[in-house]
Amino acid sequence: DAKTTQPNSMESNEEEPVHLPCNHSTISGTDYIHWYRQLPSQGPEYVIHGLTSNVNNRMASLAIAEDRKSSTLILHRATLRDAAVYYCIRSGGATNKLIFGTGTLLAVQP
Amino acid sequence: DADVTQTPRNRITKTGKRIMLECSQTKGHDRMYWYRQDPGLGLRLIYYSFDVKDINKGEISDGYSVSRQAQAKFSLSLESAIPNQTALYFCATSARVGGGVFFGPGTRLTVL
Repeated sequence: DAKTTQPNSMESNEEEPVHLPCNHSTISGTDYIHWYRQLPSQGPEYVIHGLTSNVNNRMASLAIAEDRKSSTLILHRATLRDAAVYYCIRSGGATNKLIFGTGTLLAVQP
Repeated sequence: DADVTQTPRNRITKTGKRIMLECSQTKGHDRMYWYRQDPGLGLRLIYYSFDVKDINKGEISDGYSVSRQAQAKFSLSLESAIPNQTALYFCATSARVGGGVFFGPGTRLTVL
């Protein structure tokens, strides 16, 4: 299972949009793209997931490239509580198991 | 009330002891998972289960065993704990292929 590629860290200012990129060039046609985030000493929290079309929910938006080899998690207005490690993950097959990489550490400045 | 609960939340034990970590969920999901996280690293899959009669090994199953006692309960055992099993352990559930995965709060295990 190939892992995804994300920048190690990013910074943002409070109340500005944040675009977190992810590359998954070997993704197969049936793999879903998931995003989770993890605060210190807490379990990962589900953010959003999608297959081919862009997705929106109350937490974020997920933009998936037409060739599905990359995606971007969009936080529309960053808050201090959004500071966390963000994981972009492929899941596929019947298991729905997640193979984690090291994620992107997002810092939000006031 | 939390949908996925884990007990204990913290445990310190000695090398060679048998340890059981328990997970319960009220989400009604069929799929359950055990992950381990080491400092500064992402999570690694230990075992997963589709239902009570279906158990599968993950990336790092050596030294661990699991039991799916009911749809809602999935326990992880360390038969003879060793120091390099010191880690954060997370239980997770999902409803279906492609669905979101929901994690418990974690168990911090220290093996001395």
